[in-house]
Amino acid sequence: QQQVKQSPQSLIVQKGGISIINCAYENTAFDYFPWYQQFPGKGPALLIAIRPDVSEKKEGRFTISFNKSAKQFSLHIMDSQPGDSATYFCAASLKAAGNKLTFGGGTRVLVKP
Amino acid sequence: EPEVTQTPSHQVTQMGQEVILRCVPISNHLYFYWYRQILGQKVEFLVSFYNNEISEKSEIFDDQFSVERPDGSNFTLKIRSTKLEDSAMYFCASSAQPSTDTQYFGPGTRLTVL
Repeated sequence: QQQVKQSPQSLIVQKGGISIINCAYENTAFDYFPWYQQFPGKGPALLIAIRPDVSEKKEGRFTISFNKSAKQFSLHIMDSQPGDSATYFCAASLKAAGNKLTFGGGTRVLVKP
Repeated sequence: EPEVTQTPSHQVTQMGQEVILRCVPISNHLYFYWYRQILGQKVEFLVSFYNNEISEKSEIFDDQFSVERPDGSNFTLKIRSTKLEDSAMYFCASSAQPSTDTQYFGPGTRLTVL
């Protein structure tokens, strides 16, 4: 199975709060898990990514937590800012399959000032 | 900073017509992709292309679709006979080499089939 399931579909958070987006995957062969940020009218832009041999990766205010046994990974946005308001997609890929990305359904995040 | 560019930004066509969507990947990249996003839905993989041939394609990428790298800079997606359900945003992406995971996406072409 190639599906990646993402939740919630939308999220409203106050400025300074924490946004948490969760993803679950089925194919245990996936070996790369990126998060993309998309603003209206723009293409997805890579935000942060993790490999399954690491349980957590942090870049600035963005952290990925990865639970290999549960086949789940999540994005935490600390100190959320209005400029973080965007749609976030988790994805997974498999090098043996040409690195094609399988995307989750997306989460629309709105950060209120 | 190098970026993937796509033209046109918006294409309107009649059902049954052929359209060609154009992409200029980042100049030293070797691996190219097309994805599409139907309004309000997730981004879906269509095809990957490396060394002048298709590496992988999805079930969506049927005989009405084709890709081509006609010269050293452009990468095109052709839809031979458009259907209403082809209306979507089409994104081109590229990566530096097959072993590099990071894919850089263009801004997309919005295709509207009437």
